Amino acid sequence: DAGITQSPRHKVTETGTPVTLRCHQTENHRYMYWYRQDPGHGLRLIHYSYGVKDTDKGEVSDGYSVSRSKTEDFLLTLESATSSQTSVYFCAISESPVTETQYFGPGTRLLVL
Amino acid sequence: KNQVEQSPQSLIILEGKNCTLQCNYTVSPFSNLRWYKQDTGRGPVSLTIMTFSENTKSNGRYTATLDADTKQSSLHITASQLSDSASYICVVSDAGNNRKLIWGLGTSLAVNP
Repeated sequence: DAGITQSPRHKVTETGTPVTLRCHQTENHRYMYWYRQDPGHGLRLIHYSYGVKDTDKGEVSDGYSVSRSKTEDFLLTLESATSSQTSVYFCAISESPVTETQYFGPGTRLLVL
Repeated sequence: KNQVEQSPQSLIILEGKNCTLQCNYTVSPFSNLRWYKQDTGRGPVSLTIMTFSENTKSNGRYTATLDADTKQSSLHITASQLSDSASYICVVSDAGNNRKLIWGLGTSLAVNP
């Protein structure tokens, strides 16, 4: 998985609780992304980062926030988890967003009860 | 609405046989078209990436073709192996929308012995 780790790999939580997912890379890539994957939908971009402390929203950013204080770490926070946020979350990295391949982490399976 | 549609939705073939997966898109203008392979329970892995000026690109037993005029792409798998069992996802970069990636739903391929 191209030097990308995600933690935790599995999590069960209750509605209303905050949840933080971590993505860690050892490739020193500038761009990092958070996606969610659900049945019946293609991968959907939640947030992305183009540098330390530089982040922007994707197409499904409501209810999520991100932070990137170091090149290698990109955190995704669900402020108050809802059942609709039950999903598989993937982190990805790339050297540039335009022509370069995105490399994906192994995913985090989140269940919100 | 820009869309990426893949067919068939699922496919079962015997080991050693060839197969072709289809991707039709309405994204215009587009920057590039990518094919990813996603094994069950893992993140997507890039197979090929083609710009609008490229017609064919190969990666081992995988060959992708692109017809930008008809907005169609195909992924041909030669001499299939059991390890080819996976979901194959077509992704188009929307050049008119900050190169946003539009993900297809994928074709689920099962290779049986």
